[in-house]
Amino acid sequence: EDQVTQSPEALRLQEGESSSLNCSYTVSGLRGLFWYRQDPGKGPEFLFTLYSAGEEKEKERLKATLTKKESFLHITAPKPEDSATYLCAVQATGTYKYIFGTGTRLKFLA
Amino acid sequence: DSGVTQTPKHLITATGQRVTLRCSPRSGDLSVYWYQQSLDQGLQFLIQYYNGEERAKGNILERFSAQQFPDLHSELNLSSLELGDSALYFCASSLSGTSTDTQYFGPGTRLTVL
Repeated sequence: EDQVTQSPEALRLQEGESSSLNCSYTVSGLRGLFWYRQDPGKGPEFLFTLYSAGEEKEKERLKATLTKKESFLHITAPKPEDSATYLCAVQATGTYKYIFGTGTRLKFLA
Repeated sequence: DSGVTQTPKHLITATGQRVTLRCSPRSGDLSVYWYQQSLDQGLQFLIQYYNGEERAKGNILERFSAQQFPDLHSELNLSSLELGDSALYFCASSLSGTSTDTQYFGPGTRLTVL
């Protein structure tokens, strides 16, 4: 069965403290892996799409990487505005269905 | 603002009732997606439409149904409501409904079933 697991569930970071969020996935074949951020009470906001192992994408303080079994979202020198829940999702080949993980809640400690 | 609109923002109803949630996609987007987000289950993909036709079905209950109209807006109908249906319901839209598209999410409808 296709599955997505995110860890840790929650993360607290201080200024200057970088970290990585993990997304492990199990699919028969990967069509795409997606990262979103979600603020409380709002809809998810698209960050990145990764398609094949070895691919990397960057946006400001965020960098997403992909291997055959997992993806990492690296956050460098986080700022208060980076506090959010980060969601990972996959789409398997042969289907248009999306499977989301339960997310990592990131909180910036001033 | 993503450009996707959802109405109503909040909905409070009783068990056994039926409600309709409405979604207007971004201008030019042909595909619409519906998701349910509850505290214990996270974001669950329900169904996708592309240009009026159903394209993919996820964990959508038989009590739920959806459609996309010729003007591309979509409605999600929830019937015989149960307490467990209380959740945030999101609509998203994208240009062509493929994995290379970016999905833009609406602000959601919060459904409370009492």
